[in-house]
Amino acid sequence: EIVLTQSPNTMAASPGEKVTITCRASSSVSYMYWYQQMSDASPKLWIYDTSKLASGVPDRFSGSGSGTSYSLTINTMEAEDAATYYCQQCCSTPLTFGSGTKLEIK
Amino acid sequence: VQLVESGGGLVQPGKSLKLSCSASGFTFSSYGMHWIRQAPGKGLDWVAYISSSSGTVYADAVKGRFTISRDNAKNTLYLQLNSLKSEDTAIYYCARNFARGVMDAWGQGASVTVSS
Repeated sequence: EIVLTQSPNTMAASPGEKVTITCRASSSVSYMYWYQQMSDASPKLWIYDTSKLASGVPDRFSGSGSGTSYSLTINTMEAEDAATYYCQQCCSTPLTFGSGTKLEIK
Repeated sequence: VQLVESGGGLVQPGKSLKLSCSASGFTFSSYGMHWIRQAPGKGLDWVAYISSSSGTVYADAVKGRFTISRDNAKNTLYLQLNSLKSEDTAIYYCARNFARGVMDAWGQGASVTVSS
């Protein structure tokens, strides 16, 4: 099983601040996927194939990485970005998610 | 694309429950589908996958107890949950497979509570 370790577990950022969330895989993966989950809502696909933004995702978001190290970056934090973000690996069963990063607005 | 789960509820340990996921807005028969669960206050946990041709894959924690199935004529995905344990308590989401095990559309979730 590929274990995904996200960091940090929680963080708070001020409006306009740059935010980076990392996801490390226990084995090399070809791509990483990211989901956003707002409070009391279903998850939404946010970034796919490591760096492609899902439909409707603001371009202040970006994704990068390769092998065992991936990241999601918000160029300038906005209040609407407060949510929990999960990474996921697609291609080795069981499919696995990171434990999540809860991002709050200061 | 719309996915609507139903069938959740309170059930005693060892009992069974069947969840349904009604799909609309896309050609259901052409897509693989997933069930993912989220225990209270916890992260996402993949449960099972069924391909468009009805091939299935399960997480070890539910293998032999849960069964994923589909009825393409009814545009409906199912999850039969047997021999339920307290640790199965969660919100169960159905999700459409985008490609390569990625979920691009999710339902609102069905709550399952296993308790005596």
